[in-house]
Amino acid sequence: SYVLTQPPSVSVAPGQTARITCGGNNIGSKSVHWYQQKPGQAPVLVVYDDSDRPSGIPERFSGSNSGNTATLTISRVEAGDEADYYCQVWDSSSDHPYVFGTGTKVTVL
Amino acid sequence: EVQLVESGGGLVQPGGSLRLSCAASGFTVSSNYMSWVRQAPGKGLEWVSVIYSGGSTYYADSVKGRFTISRHNSKNTLYLQMNSLRAEDTAVYYCARCLGSGWYLVWGQGTLVTVSS
Repeated sequence: SYVLTQPPSVSVAPGQTARITCGGNNIGSKSVHWYQQKPGQAPVLVVYDDSDRPSGIPERFSGSNSGNTATLTISRVEAGDEADYYCQVWDSSSDHPYVFGTGTKVTVL
Repeated sequence: EVQLVESGGGLVQPGGSLRLSCAASGFTVSSNYMSWVRQAPGKGLEWVSVIYSGGSTYYADSVKGRFTISRHNSKNTLYLQMNSLRAEDTAVYYCARCLGSGWYLVWGQGTLVTVSS
């Protein structure tokens, strides 16, 4: 089955840029979605289809996807961005179509 | 307003059964792909099951043969029947609507299932 690998943690100072990677075999050929999850809350979509933002998500959140790595970039990081972030793909060739990354804890210093 | 509201969680003994419900508003469940995703305490997200608009269903290996996803069209509600529950099924269970060409998820608020004696 398809596997997505994320770093367990990323630390960033306020105002700086956080980059969260999501590695998978030829992930560039798939659409990647990113979710933010704060403690005790449901996940919230922050980027879909590699680089699109849902309405209400700040422009500070952006995404890219190429080769074997997708990246979620958070610019001008704020304290409120501290959360867990998960990548996700749809594996259309599988009867286990939803695949989630291992998750990354973003800590704002 | 589009909304998903889960219910039915609670404490159940190992080997027991529970049925989760997800009441949808603002869209038609039967016209959409719908999924269940769970999250064990302190762990990551784990996909559980999906039902396609045509009625096909798929399950994670960890629940196959024990869980059943279904929907009630007139109630516009998604269900997850969980049998032969184990301690490792303890988790918050989220229902989600699958959207877009890349099938991203829009989530409900979740319901907690605890399997313990």
